[in-house]
Amino acid sequence: DQQVKQNSPSLSVQEGRISILNCDYTNSMFDYFLWYKKYPAEGPTFLISISSIKDKNEDGRFTVFLNKSAKHLSLHIVPSQPGDSAVYFCAASPYSGAGSYQLTFGKGTKLSVIP
Amino acid sequence: ETGVTQTPRHLVMGMTNKKSLKCEQHLGHNAMYWYKQSAKKPLELMFVYSLEERVENNSVPSRFSPECPNSSHLFLHLHTLQPEDSALYLCASSQDSAGVDREDGYTFGSGTRLTVV
Repeated sequence: DQQVKQNSPSLSVQEGRISILNCDYTNSMFDYFLWYKKYPAEGPTFLISISSIKDKNEDGRFTVFLNKSAKHLSLHIVPSQPGDSAVYFCAASPYSGAGSYQLTFGKGTKLSVIP
Repeated sequence: ETGVTQTPRHLVMGMTNKKSLKCEQHLGHNAMYWYKQSAKKPLELMFVYSLEERVENNSVPSRFSPECPNSSHLFLHLHTLQPEDSALYLCASSQDSAGVDREDGYTFGSGTRLTVV
């Protein structure tokens, strides 16, 4: 039973346009969410995070939106650049207490930004 | 060196071999993790160590044996593996996460690509 779901295995976007990557979760104990970016032959690198006390967090071209009632979050990249082409993983955990060490990951979405 | 370093980058081993994966972090973090990434599957947490003590073991087969001699080093000892254990094994580290601001998340190494033949 997957607790974090990224239903789109891949996404292609034209350079300069917006990329929207989606993530759904089922565990109501999750209240801390992160996005990681992974290039081939490298480990995932932290991109941006959001806790449940917020519904939006922005860092440069990257914005994460959280809809707790829908158990849904999304990552927006504007404008998209060819260097953004990578696999993006959504991850979640409880913020504190039991299990807070453990990040549960989705399967990832491969983003291709076309020049 | 900075960050999280994993060695070797690639490993091919037979089912009767014994080998070890090594992870080293230079970030002053006090929690370390082993994750497994198989094709078309999510990253799976295998082991968590906090302050050199194991705090999580997600029902991993005993043919995988972790060791954390200090807060900077983590090993994964492998013996009598199966072909289905072929995967990318990722090490990560973080500050003690319980109740602490964790905006920077985990720092991952580049992984060891393991092939069991």
